[in-house]
Amino acid sequence: EIVLTQSPGTLSLSPGERATLSCRASQSVRSSYLAWYQQKPGQAPRLLIYGASSRATGIPDRFSGSGSGTDFTLTITRLEPEDFAVYYCQQYGGSFTFGPGTKVDIK
Amino acid sequence: EGQLVESGGDLVKPGGSLRLSCAASGFHFTNAYMNWVRQAPGKGLEWVGRIKSRPGGGTTDYAAPVKGRFTISRDDSKNMLYLQVNGLEAEDTAMYYCAWERPEGSFELWGQGTMVTVSS
Repeated sequence: EIVLTQSPGTLSLSPGERATLSCRASQSVRSSYLAWYQQKPGQAPRLLIYGASSRATGIPDRFSGSGSGTDFTLTITRLEPEDFAVYYCQQYGGSFTFGPGTKVDIK
Repeated sequence: EGQLVESGGDLVKPGGSLRLSCAASGFHFTNAYMNWVRQAPGKGLEWVGRIKSRPGGGTTDYAAPVKGRFTISRDDSKNMLYLQVNGLEAEDTAMYYCAWERPEGSFELWGQGTMVTVSS
């Protein structure tokens, strides 16, 4: 089973700042099969990025994904108030696994 | 626009059983690969299992912690997805989400979840 590690655990930033979130896999992940989700308290997760770098429908272009192999990154170029949430990466390599999440909170 | 609505969550005693349901609308359910994902209170997301579409073979896969206790099924005539959960343990306490899987294995659409609490 592929294990995903996310860092940092918590990212404290101010609105307008840039957020860089990391997801590292225990073995190589096919880029097509790496996704990112946003989850706010009391809500279901929302798909942001699929295929490592493709934005899901309706996702603003301040969200971008990159990476390959074992290292992937989610970047939020300018944080809006509604972006403060928990972010999860997820892979599908025969089975599905999620990372433990990165919480982006207001500094 | 697609929608998923889960139901059936409840408070049950250890060893008990439940059947969770997920009603799908707004997309071609017959061709959809469908999943269950759970989230324990204050914890992260954990994949539970998947059922492929009937055209895709209709087979099921499960995460190790639930294999042999949980069963996923579907009724395409009703656009319904089910999760039969047996032998419930305290560690199964979680919000259970159904999710529609994209071809490359991401989860495009999620329901709002249904809560299962296992406690004596």
